[in-house]
Amino acid sequence: DADVTQTPRNRITKTGKRIMLECSQTKGHDRMYWYRQDPGLGLRLIYYSFDVKDINKGEISDGYSVSRQAQAKFSLSLESAIPNQTALYFCATSEDRDGNEQFFGPGTRLTVL
Amino acid sequence: DAKTTQPPSMDCAEGRAANLPCNHSTISGNEYVYWYRQIHSQGPQYIIHGLKNNETNEMASLIITEDRKSSTLILPHATLRDTAVYYCIVRVYGGATNKLIFGTGTLLAVQP
Repeated sequence: DADVTQTPRNRITKTGKRIMLECSQTKGHDRMYWYRQDPGLGLRLIYYSFDVKDINKGEISDGYSVSRQAQAKFSLSLESAIPNQTALYFCATSEDRDGNEQFFGPGTRLTVL
Repeated sequence: DAKTTQPPSMDCAEGRAANLPCNHSTISGNEYVYWYRQIHSQGPQYIIHGLKNNETNEMASLIITEDRKSSTLILPHATLRDTAVYYCIVRVYGGATNKLIFGTGTLLAVQP
């Protein structure tokens, strides 16, 4: 969905490096999410934010941190990347309070060597 | 949220209807059925959701059995661009974490 953008689209980095993945949306939604996708495991929730002042951990938040700089921006950081963080990362937004219809960005493919 | 079971893969001829089944025998009364799809390496895309009545939108129809233990997503005239992994998700409307639990889904291959 062009209304949700992610940068970079692809990134190769080395173990121990700090890396930031960025997500921007023009949909005006309050709720934003970060997921990672691994083969055979589906999508797993890392962090989610209900608004600028509300950040919540998902099911696999260890090793990650987030920043909600504005309603439209939600960044995911890996403070010290490790190889098992190699995955496809998706940002999503939702308008309704209950997050039932989520709009996903195109994804960032991250490889940690 | 209740668990869902879907076949790992299906084929469909272009122009024909694609019927994707989903079993959710442990569904609770307040749980909705959602369908998303993911075209290769793109972000998932919402398709449709419903509680107990059949639903239709511009993309698809959702048929839920009377006992709500299973459902079928129908793409009325499949095209090559409908080739994707289709996820059936059951969740409470307004679940505490708002998260969507994606299983492994059904890979629908539309054949020319």
